[in-house]
Parts: sequence; structure tokens; C-alpha cells
Amino acid sequence: QQQVKQSPQSLIVQKGGISIINCAYENTAFDYFPWYQQFPGKGPALLIAIRPDVSEKKEGRFTISFNKSAKQFSLHIMDSQPGDSATYFCAARGGGADGLTFGKGTHLIIQP
Amino acid sequence: SAVISQKPSRDICQRGTSLTIQCQVDSQVTMMFWYRQQPGQSLTLIATANQGSEATYESGFVIDKFPISRPNLTFSTLTVSNMSPEDSSIYLCSVEGGRTYEQYFGPGTRLTVT
Repeated sequence: QQQVKQSPQSLIVQKGGISIINCAYENTAFDYFPWYQQFPGKGPALLIAIRPDVSEKKEGRFTISFNKSAKQFSLHIMDSQPGDSATYFCAARGGGADGLTFGKGTHLIIQP
Repeated sequence: SAVISQKPSRDICQRGTSLTIQCQVDSQVTMMFWYRQQPGQSLTLIATANQGSEATYESGFVIDKFPISRPNLTFSTLTVSNMSPEDSSIYLCSVEGGRTYEQYFGPGTRLTVT
């Protein structure tokens, strides 16, 4: 059972555009939702995270939108740059577990 | 955020052998985790390792195959035992940092089993 569904699997965005990646979860006991960025050969790096009592969180060009009733959250990358080209993972924590449950990842390419 | 190192960074091993992966953190942390990332895939939690207690394994992972040690608050090891080609993956340790729930990952150990 996949508890966190992520889409799209891959995404191509023009430089300066907005990249949007979506995730949906099933377990209503999840209480923490981070996004990670991973470059080839590197470990995932924490980008931004949100708790369910907040509908939006912004850090620089990265924004998480959270819809608790729909059990969905999304990552928006504003003014996307070629250096943002990476794989992005959404994740969730909670429901009695301390570890993270990850989505399948989105391979993002920003075209110059 | 914590600085995490892993050794080895990569290895090629023969089937039937075992490999122990080390994870070192630059600060004391209560919770450490081990994940597996198969090539081009997502991350899957293997186990949670808290100092002073037995590791807690996720469904599909067993202690005999993936024994874990957590001797102190800055160090942990994961052993991949009796390896088969299906164990070829990237193994990552992570720690829960000072701010609640934030997890930081090491660079990973790329394991190839032939």
C-alpha cells in the first residue's frame, strides 16, 4: 500500500517558470510533511516542511501548499532555475512511526 | 542541521558475504534511521535505531538480515548480511535534528553485489 502518492513522475519547466509537484496521502495520522531535493550521487537534502495546522509555508522560492481536507500537499518552485534540476521527494511522518514515508519522486528538469 | 558521514561511500561485494556500513554524526542525536534506495527509486525505511534500545524494523526487514548497532549518540552501523544481487542499493542513514521531526541524511553508501 503506497501511503504517499506523488505526481508527476517527471517534469520539464522553462527557466523562470513555476514548477509544481503534487502529493496525496492516505494516513490521516501523518503530522509532518517535508520535501527533499536529491542530486545524483548525493543524499536527500531537506528543502522545506509543513505541519497540518498551516495551509501554506514559504521559504525563498519554495512554497508548500497544504490541503488537510483533501489530504494533499504540493511544492511550488518559483522562478525555476537550471540549478533546480534534481529529483524531488515528498514525505510524511506520523501515525506512530518516527521514520518517513516517501513518495516515488519527481525528476525535474529546468530548461535554460 | 547535523553533518553526517558514512563509510564506505561505495563497495562491490560478492554474494554470500556481509558488509557493515558506518554512520557518524557531528552532534549527539537521539534518533537515527536507516533507509534503502534502490537505483532510480524512492527511499524505504529499514529501521529506527535509538541509543540504548533495540532497533525497530519495518515490515519486510529483519534483524538477521540487517543487524544494527547504536553504541552511542553519534554513531550507528548497519550490516547487510548474506548478500544477494537484490541487495544492490544505496543505503542511507539519517538523524532527527535539533528541531523536532527534521531529518537530515548522510551521503549514502552505494552497494553493488555481484
